[in-house]
Amino acid sequence: DVKVTQSSRYLVKRTGEKVFLECVQDMDHENMFWYRQDPGLGLRLIYFSYDVKMKEKGDIPEGYSVSREKKERFSLILESASTNQTSMYLCASISPRGRERNQPQHFGDGTRLSIL
Amino acid sequence: DAKTTQPPSMDCAEGRAANLPCNHSTISGNEYVYWYRQIHSQGPQYIIHGLKNNETNEMASLIITEDRKSSTLILPHATLRDTAVYYCIVRVAAGGTSYGKLTFGQGTILTVHP
Repeated sequence: DVKVTQSSRYLVKRTGEKVFLECVQDMDHENMFWYRQDPGLGLRLIYFSYDVKMKEKGDIPEGYSVSREKKERFSLILESASTNQTSMYLCASISPRGRERNQPQHFGDGTRLSIL
Repeated sequence: DAKTTQPPSMDCAEGRAANLPCNHSTISGNEYVYWYRQIHSQGPQYIIHGLKNNETNEMASLIITEDRKSSTLILPHATLRDTAVYYCIVRVAAGGTSYGKLTFGQGTILTVHP
């Protein structure tokens, strides 16, 4: 069975802190994604990565960075956390190869982050 | 990716079939229809997807009209645990310049009543 694991379900941090959100997938997928989800705004793409050390900005990258040192791990970094980054963060992965190209993205359970 | 339109909410009695509609009138020939659901405070869960043929799996059935401009997700025997927000998404397959990213709309809040 597919598995995307996010390191924390709930996290509380203070304004100005550097925050790391970790995501690991066990499906050997090339593409990984970080989204945030807010009421009334749906799911918004922050960053994605299509290979180790490769990354692309999504729709709302400001205030965030990412790291992909290994294929299975994709980290989201809040450089200096602010209260408007309080949100649900979701990681997902997919493979663009061959027959897997039309397969669905699989999501982790999410991290509900509160910045005080 | 093509835009989708779903009703904001629906109700269903437990044990009955839940039929959730989705309009995607601007869908193009290489775009798939995907359905996800999200139970409160959890990540989105994949349900089913299809291109043009009807599909069935252990969770649901997907009926796509012949012109592919709309589809219906069918939960054959809804239970209280099926209460969730259901999202219909249209997307090309991943690969090339399409990385497979998803755009979720507001979805349909399905409430299953005892």
